[in-house]
Amino acid sequence: GAGVSQTPSNKVTEKGKYVELRCDPISGHTALYWYRQSLGQGPEFLIYFQGTGAADDSGLPNDRFFAVRPEGSVSTLKIQRTERGDSAVYLCASSRSGTETQYFGPGTRLLVL
Amino acid sequence: DAKTTQPNSMESNEEEPVHLPCNHSTISGTDYIHWYRQLPSQGPEYVIHGLTSNVNNRMASLAIAEDRKSSTLILHRATLRDAAVYYCILRAWYSGGGADGLTFGKGTHLIIQP
Repeated sequence: GAGVSQTPSNKVTEKGKYVELRCDPISGHTALYWYRQSLGQGPEFLIYFQGTGAADDSGLPNDRFFAVRPEGSVSTLKIQRTERGDSAVYLCASSRSGTETQYFGPGTRLLVL
Repeated sequence: DAKTTQPNSMESNEEEPVHLPCNHSTISGTDYIHWYRQLPSQGPEYVIHGLTSNVNNRMASLAIAEDRKSSTLILHRATLRDAAVYYCILRAWYSGGGADGLTFGKGTHLIIQP
């Protein structure tokens, strides 16, 4: 079946702009995770959804970052007033429940100029 | 979260076994040991996980020390497609089904020579 998909695959923006990154999880997966990966580092947890609600948003670095999952399926990560330090690969993962294997998408490569 | 320690990189020859070590001396009784790997320009993918007993699946084997303070991921016959960064991750299990996001370290960069 279809895996986790993320769009766009690449995004270039200018400092100060607003961006939205989309994640389509595997159908039927109730848990959805966002991670951020900087060059040479492992992925860093940002936020975890169980259904429509954010069960854990402790990894969001500041209030410029926000994520939604209004219908319990697709999720959007929103970054306001982007900064050069936000440049990274943003990864999305889903699982059947919060305790099971996570399946990752290919990521969105964000470059803030 | 309990921390894991892995070598930065390892090199092996194609078609030979590979043993990737991981130390987790502060592991707690409710921590599962998970391994994920990340091929170049891809998202991480699950490899294997275990609690106390050794585990085998089609991708690899996981050998867990008796005191659980270390583990070893074993690729029985490495191919060029196994070249990736391998992450050893501790994941707590909470009664009632709760879970957290995965805590990745820097992992081990596995290089396979033809």
